[in-house]
Amino acid sequence: LAKTTQPISMDSYEGQEVNITCSHNNIATNDYITWYQQFPSQGPRFIIQGYKTKVTNEVASLFIPADRKSSTLSLPRVSLSDTAVYYCLVGDILTGGGNKLTFGTGTQLKVEL
Amino acid sequence: EPEVTQTPSHQVTQMGQEVILRCVPISNHLYFYWYRQILGQKVEFLVSFYNNEISEKSEIFDDQFSVERPDGSNFTLKIRSTKLEDSAMYFCASSGPLAGGRGYNEQFFGPGTRLTVL
Repeated sequence: LAKTTQPISMDSYEGQEVNITCSHNNIATNDYITWYQQFPSQGPRFIIQGYKTKVTNEVASLFIPADRKSSTLSLPRVSLSDTAVYYCLVGDILTGGGNKLTFGTGTQLKVEL
Repeated sequence: EPEVTQTPSHQVTQMGQEVILRCVPISNHLYFYWYRQILGQKVEFLVSFYNNEISEKSEIFDDQFSVERPDGSNFTLKIRSTKLEDSAMYFCASSGPLAGGRGYNEQFFGPGTRLTVL
């Protein structure tokens, strides 16, 4: 299982773009990169997933360089409600599903006015 | 939007008592999971369940724990004899079959049950 490293915390202000980088030097060929968000006293929520290059959805963008040893979650124009813990997870998405998720300590993002 | 529900939201019990935490996964999902999060710590995997049997379990999931899908909708976690260190937030999650067989194993988490063992 590829180990991930991400900053413990980040601070930002409303309206700014936030980029959270995750390092995963030992990522395997079959591994995908997935980001989850967790608000206090709530379950984690899927944000985005990718394998290579760039993925964008209505919430965020995920940038993955060619060597795939790191990835960057980009949150455009954050608001106070984006204050949460963000987790980077790396793992094989087996055919059929059912994989356990292995969470690290995540990055606590705090957004202020 | 379909969601995973859990009951109760908060359970207080005495050490040594049995507790059952209940979950209703999203209706067309095939894979079910329990995770726990001790206050201030990481979310930890407990067990996954597929086709009416456990597919994987962690070291935490010892003989005191069991899971069951008693009917077509509920998924339960039973702790036979609770210990103080079982106090945590317990999250149920579910996921569906992968589109095209690969990628996108999004797990949907419930709001959690806060278990307090006294």
